[in-house]
Order: sequence, then C-alpha cells, then structure tokens
Amino acid sequence: DIQMTQSPSSLSASIGDRVTITCRANQGINNYLAWYQQKPGKVPKLLIYAASTLQSGVPSRFSGSGSGTDFALTISGLQPEDVATYYCQKHDSAPWTFGQGTRVEIK
Amino acid sequence: QVQLVQSGAEVKRPGASVKVSCKASGYTFTDFYIQWVRQAPGQGLEWMGWIYANSGGTNYAQKFQGRVTMTRDTSINTAYMELSSLRSDDTAVYYCARDPQDPTPADYWGQGTLVTVSS
Repeated sequence: DIQMTQSPSSLSASIGDRVTITCRANQGINNYLAWYQQKPGKVPKLLIYAASTLQSGVPSRFSGSGSGTDFALTISGLQPEDVATYYCQKHDSAPWTFGQGTRVEIK
Repeated sequence: QVQLVQSGAEVKRPGASVKVSCKASGYTFTDFYIQWVRQAPGQGLEWMGWIYANSGGTNYAQKFQGRVTMTRDTSINTAYMELSSLRSDDTAVYYCARDPQDPTPADYWGQGTLVTVSS
C-alpha cells in the first residue's frame, strides 16, 4: 500500500504568516490528492481536491500544489479561524489512505 | 442541499457488533459512492472503505476485511456500516461521506457517530 506522510506534525505560526504543510506519497498518485480541515470537535471539511482545485466556498488564502509524490497545502495569511488539524488523502486507488495530520496553532 | 444524517451514539460490549446508518438527501443517492472513515479519540482519520450505492459494490481496507460489512438500501437512500467482533480499540467516531471518487474522494460528510466499546 502507498503510504502518505505529512510534515510537520504540528506547527505554531503568527496571524498573517504564510504556512505550508507537505504531504508525500511513497509512490506516484498523479494528482489524486485531497486536503481536509478539521476544527476541534467538528466534522472534516474538504478544502482542496485534485491537488490544487479549491472547493467552492473555501477562502482563497488556501491553495494546493504538487503532483506525483509531493504535495503542499499553503495558507497565505493565517487567520485565527484556521486553527485546525489538516489531513491529506490519496484516492488514486484503494486504500484511500490519509496522512497522519498536521495541527496548526496560533503563536 | 446535500445532507448525510447518521444514527446516534452506541455503547457496545467487546465481541458485539454495531451497525451505523447514514441517510442521504439532496442528491441522487445511486449516482455516488459512500465512504466510511473513523477517528479514535485524539487520533487521525482512518479510511475504512466505500460502497457504490448503485451496484452495492464495496472496497474495504485490508485492516477491516472480515469484520466490516457495508450495505445500502436504495429505497430509503441509506447506507450502513456494520463492524463485528468489536474491541476496545474500535472506540471511535465513525463518519460517512459522499464520495464522487473523481475528482474528490469525499465532499459532504455526516455528523459522525460515536461508538464506545466497553465492558
């Protein structure tokens, strides 16, 4: 099975900072990569699909990039409401593995 | 609007089974898959598998093979996930999600169902 590795596992940044989370697959998955945001006690929410397409209604400060094995989620201008854990998920073929998550906090 | 409404919290004894339901509305149920994901307390998301609501075809994570059964009832637009031989480490919130497969694996999620396994 393809493994998905996110880094870092947690980060602390200041309001307005640019934040980047990476997700690496140990084999190529084309662009079959989605990003989710999960706020404490809440249901996961789709942010990005097809590696770089912003889901409708998601603020434009979120962006995704990458293809093949290396992907990134960037928050351009961190806001207080962005405090959450972020997960990547591959869906090129089963199993549709999640990354282990990255917790984002405000410094 | 798309909605997925799951059944309520469950408390089960070790060795028992649990069946969680996920009722869909606001879209054509048989045009999509339903994905099941679980999250143990304080842990990350874990993919369990999916079911194609049209044919009933399934794909399960190897970890759950032999213990999980995903079914659906198209007459009431509801998907089910049954997990058997429960252990304490199956204590988790179980989510269903609408799954278009391509270009995204899950766009709408249910509210989650807490399953507690305890003697």
